Amino acid sequence: AQKVTQAQTEISVVEKEDVTLDCVYETRDTTYYLFWYKQPPSGELVFLIRRNSFDEQNEISGRYSWNFQKSTSSFNFTITASQVVDSAVYFCALTPGDDMRFGAGTRLTVKP
Amino acid sequence: EAQVTQNPRYLITVTGKKLTVTCSQNMNHEYMSWYRQDPGLGLRQIYYSMNVEVTDKGDVPEGYKVSRKEKRNFPLILESPSPNQTSLYFCASSSVGPGGSYEQYFGPGTRLTVT
Repeated sequence: AQKVTQAQTEISVVEKEDVTLDCVYETRDTTYYLFWYKQPPSGELVFLIRRNSFDEQNEISGRYSWNFQKSTSSFNFTITASQVVDSAVYFCALTPGDDMRFGAGTRLTVKP
Repeated sequence: EAQVTQNPRYLITVTGKKLTVTCSQNMNHEYMSWYRQDPGLGLRQIYYSMNVEVTDKGDVPEGYKVSRKEKRNFPLILESPSPNQTSLYFCASSSVGPGGSYEQYFGPGTRLTVT
């Protein structure tokens, strides 16, 4: 069975703090893809990153970074020096290529 | 502009009255999918389609139907809506490569209320 767990329902930080959003997944497939999406208060879903199961290199994009650890089935997302505009719901998702499973999401609030 | 469109954006209906939510994409994507978003549950996949005339059930297909007669369109049909189908619905599309599906482009969402 495919499953994505985002244990943090809500996180609140003050601007400029670093914050890590956790994502743990379960799958029996050896080939799969992991994603992160952002849903700002306006409601649209914005793609952030896609990572395949064979690529465990961490990735950095500006203030965003992702840590993929196959040994612990985790794909965590860190925002460095958070800003108010980072306030959103963040979803982690898993797919072996056909169906897609999303986590329940983590609501991040960044206060000025 | 590359986009996924959904119509209507908002819909209030009554129990049992058949309705269709349309979804169209202009990116020539093979893969299309429908999700519902409910508080505390994230997005759950209803149906997906790998290509024309190929559809498959997602996590929560009960009470829904889909069809994929053309590559660009993927309508969601509720033949007899019930109040537990009140939700925010998203359509999405993506290209599919040899390694699997790429990032999905989402429509703006359809907020459905069934009374």
